[in-house]
Amino acid sequence: DAGVIQSPRHEVTEMGQEVTLRCKPISGHNSLFWYRQTMMRGLELLIYFNNNVPIDDSGMPEDRFSAKMPNASFSTLKIQPSEPRDSAVYFCASSFTGSGNTIYFGEGSWLTVV
Amino acid sequence: GIQVEQSPPDLILQEGANSTLRCNFSDSVNNLQWFHQNPWGQLINLFYIPSGTKQNGRLSATTVATERYSLLYISSSQTTDSGVYFCAGSLGRLYFGRGTQLTVWP
Repeated sequence: DAGVIQSPRHEVTEMGQEVTLRCKPISGHNSLFWYRQTMMRGLELLIYFNNNVPIDDSGMPEDRFSAKMPNASFSTLKIQPSEPRDSAVYFCASSFTGSGNTIYFGEGSWLTVV
Repeated sequence: GIQVEQSPPDLILQEGANSTLRCNFSDSVNNLQWFHQNPWGQLINLFYIPSGTKQNGRLSATTVATERYSLLYISSSQTTDSGVYFCAGSLGRLYFGRGTQLTVWP
């Protein structure tokens, strides 16, 4: 099992640029989560999908953030335009049957916006 | 939302010592889980423990769902146990605590 795969692992970008983070969940999992981790706010759930449908996006900070899951094996989190306060580690995670089972995290995408 | 309190926030141990980490929830939750974030940032699921007790090597966890808390026990700690330990529980969505930062010295 390859685990949850995220890319890129590290990204440094200039303020105003578009950032796209990618995630491939564990095969067979039907729920996918995007989390953001910062020192100030800890781990925050941004959005989660169940069977490719967004279920709860109340954690998405503002309209600059968008997430898609076109199929069961791929999701993107996009920030446009990026700002320095978006600097954080973004984790993708997956599980089977929503939050009701063990959740597995990817290694994270470390984003720095300068 | 649910408030998840973890204690202690920081813990420093000598190798070989035992420790207990606690997680309190402001409301009844489902699907309680413990995670370890190693110094390289990887988040590893340790236990899925909505109730009862589980053991995995030197680690064990107990959840008392009726009293809304869970405990993580680490016995004979090793330097590789260092990192941040998170608990999380769900009520619709999964809520995380702020973690316990554990440092184990040789």
